[in-house]
Amino acid sequence: DSGVTQTPKHLITATGQRVTLRCSPRSGDLSVYWYQQSLDQGLQFLIQYYNGEERAKGNILERFSAQQFPDLHSELNLSSLELGDSALYFCASSVGGRADTPFGEQFFGPGTRLTVL
Amino acid sequence: AQSVTQLGSHVSVSEGALVLLRCNYSSSVPPYLFWYVQYPNQGLQLLLKYTSAATLVKGINGFEAEFKKSETSFHLTKPSAHMSDAAEYFCAVSDAGNMLTFGGGTRLMVKP
Repeated sequence: DSGVTQTPKHLITATGQRVTLRCSPRSGDLSVYWYQQSLDQGLQFLIQYYNGEERAKGNILERFSAQQFPDLHSELNLSSLELGDSALYFCASSVGGRADTPFGEQFFGPGTRLTVL
Repeated sequence: AQSVTQLGSHVSVSEGALVLLRCNYSSSVPPYLFWYVQYPNQGLQLLLKYTSAATLVKGINGFEAEFKKSETSFHLTKPSAHMSDAAEYFCAVSDAGNMLTFGGGTRLMVKP
């Protein structure tokens, strides 16, 4: 158990809908990362928040957005869903904001499996 | 831009045999390198990381990896495979500070 929690574990929805994925980081971690894992794209970095502010952006679609709240939990919002958005979405957290530092080790949650029908 | 290539999407070994999972990276600056393991229906767990200290890095569960700058490689090895090692393994690089760039993954199968 990494200490990172994600809800829900599974989500099934229809095309065109909007969903919200939730992540609670490990106690004391200020940084939250979102990743998407799909069969065709592999594991891709989406976005990072550090202490409530957006820190880095990866291959995140405009239909997707995220935020980090004062209690440091984060939500990833996916809207106008398409079949191709079906994937496993991981949240990771770290103490620091940079992966290339001793405090940047990322701990991953169990993921949310999104199925768009 | 950083990138990671894992040679072999599937590797099969017999129990007790050497495990060798290959990873080559591309980076414009000295990188941090990582190996993660993903068991079925679970998140990723860090096996080991290279942070520019010792080139031979020891991780959990008997795994180790050697950083070879001249070959831009960070291959993962384990002397003797166990059935419990069957999982998917991901190599990742970070040289841009914030994000991890992952390879495509290698699924390790262990035959009894």
